[in-house]
Amino acid sequence: DTGVSQDPRHKITKRGQNVTFRCDPISEHNRLYWYRQTLGQGPEFLTYFQNEAQLEKSRLLSDRFSAERPKGSFSTLEIQRTEQGDSAMYLCASSGMWDTSTDTQYFGPGTRLTVL
Amino acid sequence: KNQVEQSPQSLIILEGKNCTLQCNYTVSPFSNLRWYKQDTGRGPVSLTIMTFSENTKSNGRYTATLDADTKQSSLHITASQLSDSASYICVVRDYGGSQGNLIFGKGTKLSVKP
Repeated sequence: DTGVSQDPRHKITKRGQNVTFRCDPISEHNRLYWYRQTLGQGPEFLTYFQNEAQLEKSRLLSDRFSAERPKGSFSTLEIQRTEQGDSAMYLCASSGMWDTSTDTQYFGPGTRLTVL
Repeated sequence: KNQVEQSPQSLIILEGKNCTLQCNYTVSPFSNLRWYKQDTGRGPVSLTIMTFSENTKSNGRYTATLDADTKQSSLHITASQLSDSASYICVVRDYGGSQGNLIFGKGTKLSVKP
């Protein structure tokens, strides 16, 4: 499978717990994105990496959220002290064209987080 | 404020029928507009991308149109199939914007019934 993969696909946790999600992009892609999507809404941008550098962070990415891409390949998104409002689908996407204005982002299947 | 509005919110059609989904945007300056298809529980998949100078682009049974003057786009689906049941999301990028400046619509949920 040469697409974007995410793990786990589903996560149920209790409020206050920490969770970590993993994203493996398409191998030749140097850009990686994290989005959050709630029911009936379009994806909302969280953060973006070019190689290992985190170049942008949305104001949606509170202090409880942290993302890393240590070797410029896979990425992790950690949420500390989860709240019920964190319940959502977390989508990862990757892209690789030089022209960042038109490159196509390929999305993974998402990780659905439920905070009880 | 940059916004992308889609209509209708949801749509039910019979298999074999055609349908048209609408997208109005206020994003300026405009760079490009994309339509994505998102199956339930899956990530979005790009269908078409259109830049300022393009009026029509087709991808199989999907045809997207763009009127940059009125800031409107449509996605026309011909001879619908059951597998077309999904959410269709319109995404607009502003010119020179950051990676975070992709403006996503809320999507139109299409249900194709036999």
